[in-house]
Amino acid sequence: QKEVEQNSGPLSVPEGAIASLNCTYSDRGSQSFFWYRQYSGKSPELIMSIYSNGDKEDGRFTAQLNKASQYVSLLIRDSQPSDSATYLCAVMNSNTGKLIFGQGTTLQVKP
Amino acid sequence: ETGVTQTPRHLVMGMTNKKSLKCEQHLGHNAMYWYKQSAKKPLELMFVYSLEERVENNSVPSRFSPECPNSSHLFLHLHTLQPEDSALYLCASSQLFNVGTSGRRDTQYFGPGTRLTVL
Repeated sequence: QKEVEQNSGPLSVPEGAIASLNCTYSDRGSQSFFWYRQYSGKSPELIMSIYSNGDKEDGRFTAQLNKASQYVSLLIRDSQPSDSATYLCAVMNSNTGKLIFGQGTTLQVKP
Repeated sequence: ETGVTQTPRHLVMGMTNKKSLKCEQHLGHNAMYWYKQSAKKPLELMFVYSLEERVENNSVPSRFSPECPNSSHLFLHLHTLQPEDSALYLCASSQLFNVGTSGRRDTQYFGPGTRLTVL
């Protein structure tokens, strides 16, 4: 079982729709969770961090965390073509402090 | 200049060459990281330095040699690389590398990366 799992996609949504990106993790003791956006050929850029169960909103982005289900998601409202990128889920390992990345989900927002 | 910078941005080298990648962070952070990103694979952590001391080495081949002379600079020395080492090498930094804690101080910020091609 992979430590952090994401559907590689591509996930295709029309412009203006809500994009829902999902991530599951295996380390039940994990405490810190991150979403990074990576455009093709570029480095990862931090979008959201979340540490507590529930929702955290920042502009068009909402991160959702459910530690009991070991599940973290990212919602992008009013999706724009400029949101087309690969979204990386990252989970901090509670024992080592290392950041473990998923493979990433490619999002395509079509005009 | 702000954030995390890396040089060179692109590097092509032969298997017998020796080269070095440089990373510099201007964020006042105390931890720095090297990651490798290959096509279709998740980011792989290679090395972690906290307060200029290496705290993690993820079974990386000895042909990769890190150096952290101070908390702002990190190098990755390369020698006798293989074609399968071709990848995007990313440097990151965080305020702290603190095992077992949570909070914003563990957030990692990435540099632009060095695209390495080994011929």
